[in-house]
Amino acid sequence: DAMVIQNPRYQVTQFGKPVTLSCSQTLNHNVMYWYQQKSSQAPKLLFHYYDKDFNNEADTPDNFQSRRPNTSFCFLDIRSPGLGDAAMYLCATSRHLVSYNEQFFGPGTRLTVL
Amino acid sequence: TQLLEQSPQFLSIQEGENLTVYCNSSSVFSSLQWYRQEPGEGPVLLVTVVTGGEVKKLKRLTFQFGDARKDSSLHITAAQPGDTGLYLCAGVIVSGGSNYKLTFGKGTLLTVNP
Repeated sequence: DAMVIQNPRYQVTQFGKPVTLSCSQTLNHNVMYWYQQKSSQAPKLLFHYYDKDFNNEADTPDNFQSRRPNTSFCFLDIRSPGLGDAAMYLCATSRHLVSYNEQFFGPGTRLTVL
Repeated sequence: TQLLEQSPQFLSIQEGENLTVYCNSSSVFSSLQWYRQEPGEGPVLLVTVVTGGEVKKLKRLTFQFGDARKDSSLHITAAQPGDTGLYLCAGVIVSGGSNYKLTFGKGTLLTVNP
């Protein structure tokens, strides 16, 4: 089945220690997104890639970076995690950037910062 | 300011009951999607509505998009414990400056007790 896969499902890191979260997709979609979701809150868009074009949301901290080496994979790098970065990180994909945009989400990575 | 208001925020019912949850906004949406999210998992797309007044059915779930495309409802008939989860609505605002960015509500947390 075509799907969005995230690894690891659970990640524990220490305050200030860089961490990388991974997302892959077999849907062959052009767009990949990263969201941050904190407890009892709606997902918050951090950035997205349309093919190789990167688009950062205005309020995404510089501490968050992303890489997309090919169509299938996208990475979220947190350079110096703080306690406030503990959250569920969701990867999503869509075929194009259009108004009837359907986004398909992965299962998420739960990040804990000690 | 929350652009998409979902109500109720929490709902606990007995198996077999019917329920309706609402998604309201003062903004017009070009499309609106409903997702269900289970604890520790990513949101799963249930339906996309794009036309004002549109009604879509998915087994026991009925989705309606308001005539003015500012609101939507989800009705569940004869709820089952497997319907338990966080129901999120998300849409693309027509005048939101983006033709792809999803605005999420905070969700309705539904618990169906056996």
